[in-house]
This record gives sequence, structure tokens and C-alpha cells, in this order.
Amino acid sequence: DAGVTQSPTHLIKTRGQHVTLRCSPISGHKSVSWYQQVLGQGPQFIFQYYEKEERGRGNFPDRFSARQFPNYSSELNVNALLLGDSALYLCASSLLPPTGIGNTIYFGEGSWLTVV
Amino acid sequence: AQTVTQSQPEMSVQEAETVTLSCTYDTSESDYYLFWYKQPPSRQMILVIRQEAYKQQNATENRFSVNFQKAAKSFSLKISDSQLGDAAMYFCACAGAQKLVFGQGTRLTINP
Repeated sequence: DAGVTQSPTHLIKTRGQHVTLRCSPISGHKSVSWYQQVLGQGPQFIFQYYEKEERGRGNFPDRFSARQFPNYSSELNVNALLLGDSALYLCASSLLPPTGIGNTIYFGEGSWLTVV
Repeated sequence: AQTVTQSQPEMSVQEAETVTLSCTYDTSESDYYLFWYKQPPSRQMILVIRQEAYKQQNATENRFSVNFQKAAKSFSLKISDSQLGDAAMYFCACAGAQKLVFGQGTRLTINP
């Protein structure tokens, strides 16, 4: 079975541009979360979606938005890019919301975003 | 609110020896899970071990085991018979209802 897949793996954008990152969860998984990992730090929570509904939002500006599609894949959108948005964006997939009984959370390989 | 603290930015161990990575956490949620993830230079976050907070028995996965002290809110990872492939950043994380909260990580070096 395929793991969590993310695209693109690497991209370079200019300040002020818009970016869309994509994530396909493990087959059968209904929960997708997004995390931002700046170099040298632990990942920071951005969004969690379960059954196509937003279930949680981290402390990120409104320039960040996301959605989950009927097939449970997800997109993360970032508008008006700033240099500080340069980071690894990780998608996490799980069968249930994070504390669902028996739940395990798996990560994709991430999308490296560089803003210049 | 949840916080996770890893007080050891770097650790090193001789190949084949045992090393323990420390983690403390705080959460207001009654139902939560704890995880250790490994992040090699490729940056993919790989699950090492998981502990349900309602279970008293410490989780084990082959050479990896945890010491879970719920009252002390401590969750350390022990790696036995360390191998060169264990070299990586290790992150402790606490899963609440909505999200994982990660610590700052511990960089583990394995000396041959």
C-alpha cells in the first residue's frame, strides 16, 4: 500500500506569490493534518481535517488555508508568500482524529518550499 | 494547551550501546497519546513508537522502548544496541484531540 504522498517535493516561489501543496493520505485514512517545520525546529500544527471538515487550526495567519476533498486528499494554500514561509510542509495521515483509540499518525516526505 | 520539552539538544552514543532520550510534556486533555518520531537527513518523519496514556504498560518495539511516567509527565525513549542507522533527529510528540505537539528535537549521533 502507498504511504502518504505529497507534491511537489521541492519548489521555489517569489515573495507575494501563491502556493498550493497537495497531499494524498494512506488509503482508508480520513484524517489529514498539515504541519510547518522551519529548519532547526520541531513541526508546528497548521490544520487538521477529518471527514472533510476542519477540526483544528493552529496559530497561523489567514494567508494559510486548506481543504479536504471527497476522496480525503487535501490541499494547503498559502497566499502572499513571505520569506518566513520558507519551510518543510508535512502532511500527516491517520484513520481517526489524533486521539482516536488505536490511532497511529503517519507522515509524508514533505514539500520543501523556498521563498526568495 | 499542550507543551512538549526535550532538554537534550544533542546526544551521542557508541555503536552497540544503549542511550536514553528525555521528554517531558504537559497537557490539559485527559485522553492523549505520546509518540517518538525519527527524522533522518531525508526529513521524512518516521514513527518509532507510540504510547497510549491510559495504558500503564510501557510500549516496546524491538530495540526501542519507553519509560512512561504519567504522574511525572515524563516519556523517555531507550534505544538498545544502537546502530549507525539510528543516527537522526528524534522528536517527542503529544497527540491531543486536534493535533500533535512536538518538542524541539534531540540530534542523536552514533559513534562507530
